[in-house]
Amino acid sequence: KAGVTQTPRYLIKTRGQQVTLSCSPISGHRSVSWYQQTPGQGLQFLFEYFSETQRNKGNFPGRFSGRQFSNSRSEMNVSTLELGDSALYLCASSLEGRTGRNEQYFGPGTRLTVT
Amino acid sequence: GQNIDQPTEMTATEGAIVQINCTYQTSGFNGLFWYQQHAGEAPTFLSYNVLDGLEEKGRFSSFLSRSKGYSYLLLKELQMKDSASYLCAVPTGGGNKLTFGTGTQLKVEL
Repeated sequence: KAGVTQTPRYLIKTRGQQVTLSCSPISGHRSVSWYQQTPGQGLQFLFEYFSETQRNKGNFPGRFSGRQFSNSRSEMNVSTLELGDSALYLCASSLEGRTGRNEQYFGPGTRLTVT
Repeated sequence: GQNIDQPTEMTATEGAIVQINCTYQTSGFNGLFWYQQHAGEAPTFLSYNVLDGLEEKGRFSSFLSRSKGYSYLLLKELQMKDSASYLCAVPTGGGNKLTFGTGTQLKVEL
C-alpha cells in the first residue's frame, strides 16, 4: 500500500498570502489529522477530519482551516500568512477503530517558509 | 488539561541501553503512544500501551504505569541509526487527536 502523501513538499510564501496544502491518506483510511511542527512548540494538533466532517480542532486561529473530500483526501488552508506560520505541516491518517487507540501514519510533511 | 513532560536531550553510547521517560497528566486516559522521528522525516509508530506493564518489541520496549502517570521507552543494544527524536503522545479530546510531548532528542555516540 502506498503511504500518506503530501504536496507540495516545500513552499515559500510571503506574509499576507494564503496557502493550501494537500494530503492523500493511505487507501482505506478515513481519518485525517493535521499537525504543525516547530522547533519551539513541537508537534501541535490542528484538526482532524473523518467522513468529510471536522471531528476535532486544536487551539489555532481561524486563519487555519481544512476540509476533507469524499475520497478522504484532505486539504488545509492558511490565510493571511504570518512569519510565525513557518513550520513543518504534517498530515496523519488512520483506520477508524477504537477512539484514541488508532495508530497514526504520518506523511513526509510540507515545509512552509513565510518571508 | 493535558501536560506531557520528557527530557529534551539524551546521549548514549553505541551498544548500551537507554531509558527515555515520559510523565503525563490527562483528564481521561486512552493509552500512550511512542513515535520515533529522524531529522527531516515523518514520525513513525513505535508502540502503544494502554495497560500497565512492559511490552517488548525487539530492541525496543515500552512501559506504562497508569497510577503514576508515567511511561518509558527502553532501547537496547543501541545503534547509530537510533539517533532520533522520540515523542511521547496521548490521545485527548476524542477521535484521533494526539497531544505530544516536546520530544527527546537522542544522540548515540561511538
